[in-house]
Amino acid sequence: DIQMTQSPSAMSASVGDRVTITCRASQGINNYLDWFQQKPGKVPKRLIYSASTLQSGVPSRFSGSGSGTEFTLTISSLQPEDFATYYCLQHNNYPPTFGQGTKVEIK
Amino acid sequence: EVQLVESGGGLVQPGGSLRLSCAASGFTFSVHYLDWIRQAPGKGLEWVGRIRNKAHSYTTEYAASVKDRFTISRDDSKNSLFLQMNSLKAEDTAVYYCTRSTDGWFDWFDLWGQGTLVTVSS
Repeated sequence: DIQMTQSPSAMSASVGDRVTITCRASQGINNYLDWFQQKPGKVPKRLIYSASTLQSGVPSRFSGSGSGTEFTLTISSLQPEDFATYYCLQHNNYPPTFGQGTKVEIK
Repeated sequence: EVQLVESGGGLVQPGGSLRLSCAASGFTFSVHYLDWIRQAPGKGLEWVGRIRNKAHSYTTEYAASVKDRFTISRDDSKNSLFLQMNSLKAEDTAVYYCTRSTDGWFDWFDLWGQGTLVTVSS
């Protein structure tokens, strides 16, 4: 199975901060990399697909980049509603695998 | 409204069985691939399995952790997805989500249900 490793696992940030989360794959995944946001007690929501395509309705402060084995999710200016856990997902190979999550908390 | 609604979760003893359902509405159910994804309490997301559409012969894929114990099926005439879970273990305790994907490799898990909680305990 392809292992997806996110860093950091948790972070504290302030409203207005630029936040970057990294996801590394154990092998190349042809940009079949998505990002999900999950707020406490809520359903995961897809933010980014194919590494850099913004899901319809998702604010433009979210962006994704990367290729091969290293990918990043960037929030350009953190808003109060962005405090959540973020997961990356690879679906280049079966089984599709998620990263362990990055919890973004309020500083 | 475009939505997926799971049902059928509950408390079951180890070794027991449970069948989850997922009702779809607001979109053309039959063309999509459908997956189950689970989340143990306080843990991350784990893919459980997939069923493809009729064009791909309704073929299935499963995670190693559930293969030979879980079976995914669908009824396109009723816009419904199912997960039959047998020989349940404590480690199967989780919220189970049904999700939608588009035929192909690009567009996976764009729509999620609200989830249903399965608790395996004596």
